[in-house]
Amino acid sequence: GQSLEQPSEVTAVEGAIVQINCTYQTSGFYGLSWYQQHDGGAPTFLSYNALDGLEETGRFSSFLSRSDSYGYLLLQELQMKDSASYFCAVRASNNQGGKLIFGQGTELSVKP
Amino acid sequence: DVKVTQSSRYLVKRTGEKVFLECVQDMDHENMFWYRQDPGLGLRLIYFSYDVKMKEKGDIPEGYSVSREKKERFSLILESASTNQTSMYLCASSAIGQSYEQYFGPGTRLTVT
Repeated sequence: GQSLEQPSEVTAVEGAIVQINCTYQTSGFYGLSWYQQHDGGAPTFLSYNALDGLEETGRFSSFLSRSDSYGYLLLQELQMKDSASYFCAVRASNNQGGKLIFGQGTELSVKP
Repeated sequence: DVKVTQSSRYLVKRTGEKVFLECVQDMDHENMFWYRQDPGLGLRLIYFSYDVKMKEKGDIPEGYSVSREKKERFSLILESASTNQTSMYLCASSAIGQSYEQYFGPGTRLTVT
């Protein structure tokens, strides 16, 4: 089967750093994406890792270790507006379409 | 700016009705996707299309069909709506070869009574 595991909830305080982990077990793997979804909103793309290592985009970074089937999203200098759900998604095929398999999402609550 | 629009934000239908959900994207994307989102289950792929008139089943296609007659438009059809199809339906699009970066519409919350 295909599965992605991420924590269902994470709570942190404003200004802190939080890490959201994602482990995956899929029949194919071409990369790991991260999406953010605010309550009532549409998911928006944050980052994509096809190779091992850390990718940094402003306050957000994403890491991938293909040998460990593991990745994480790191959010620094947390702000209240970062309160949202975060989804990891595996690109499981590279053919036409190349569908994504999504995790169940991690709800991040940022407290003042 | 990529824009994906969906025909309705909220929809209420009766069991057994035929339901059409429409999605339009304005970025000339080849790939289009339909997902349903339920609490605790994340996003589950229903169908996707990588070209006009081409379609592929996703993980939960039962009870659904799709139509893509034009590149910018992808329709999801519930042939005979059932209460277990009450959900949030999200449409997305991406450029060919870039399915890792999908652009989502605002969603349609469908309630089947």
